[in-house]
Amino acid sequence: AQKVTQAQTEISVVEKEDVTLDCVYETRDTTYYLFWYKQPPSGELVFLIRRNSFDEQNEISGRYSWNFQKSTSSFNFTITASQVVDSAVYFCALSELLYNNNDMRFGAGTRLTVKP
Amino acid sequence: EPEVTQTPSHQVTQMGQEVILRCVPISNHLYFYWYRQILGQKVEFLVSFYNNEISEKSEIFDDQFSVERPDGSNFTLKIRSTKLEDSAMYFCASSEGQFPGLTGELFFGEGSRLTVL
Repeated sequence: AQKVTQAQTEISVVEKEDVTLDCVYETRDTTYYLFWYKQPPSGELVFLIRRNSFDEQNEISGRYSWNFQKSTSSFNFTITASQVVDSAVYFCALSELLYNNNDMRFGAGTRLTVKP
Repeated sequence: EPEVTQTPSHQVTQMGQEVILRCVPISNHLYFYWYRQILGQKVEFLVSFYNNEISEKSEIFDDQFSVERPDGSNFTLKIRSTKLEDSAMYFCASSEGQFPGLTGELFFGEGSRLTVL
């Protein structure tokens, strides 16, 4: 069954520090999609990135970068030079193409607190 | 930018009462979803809906839950007889094509917080 593990429940950093949020997944499908969502204190889910299983290129978007490694089934998220506005809960999620394809499984989330 | 809208933003109800949560998906989207997040916990899939019928549902989506697209724009989640454990944030989402397939993402609404007393 598909499963997403975010082992870090809470992380606290000081502004301008770099921080990496870990995500490890399990799937029996060869084609799958990985996502990161941000949930700020206001509660909405903000889409950050989607990656399919055939694309292992790392991606950088401003201060955000993602490291996808199929060999270790990980899809880690790094925020460089963190800011107070980055404080939120971050969810990693997985969806399989063949199995449960309407069902995006979320990890438990990592609560990031960035202190000034 | 088009967005998914949900009403109400917060509803308080007594245990045993019926609740209807409403969603207006993005207009050209064909697939609709409900997810639930109990406070402080992970976001969980409830149900997906396409072509006026349920495509898939989770074990959470029991007989107390139902979904409907009563007209061309609304997508509703009904809980027939609410229980304390139904207290959660309910997120509606929509996608243009079948998820995850060729579509990039699910577009989530801002959520409806349900409190059952």
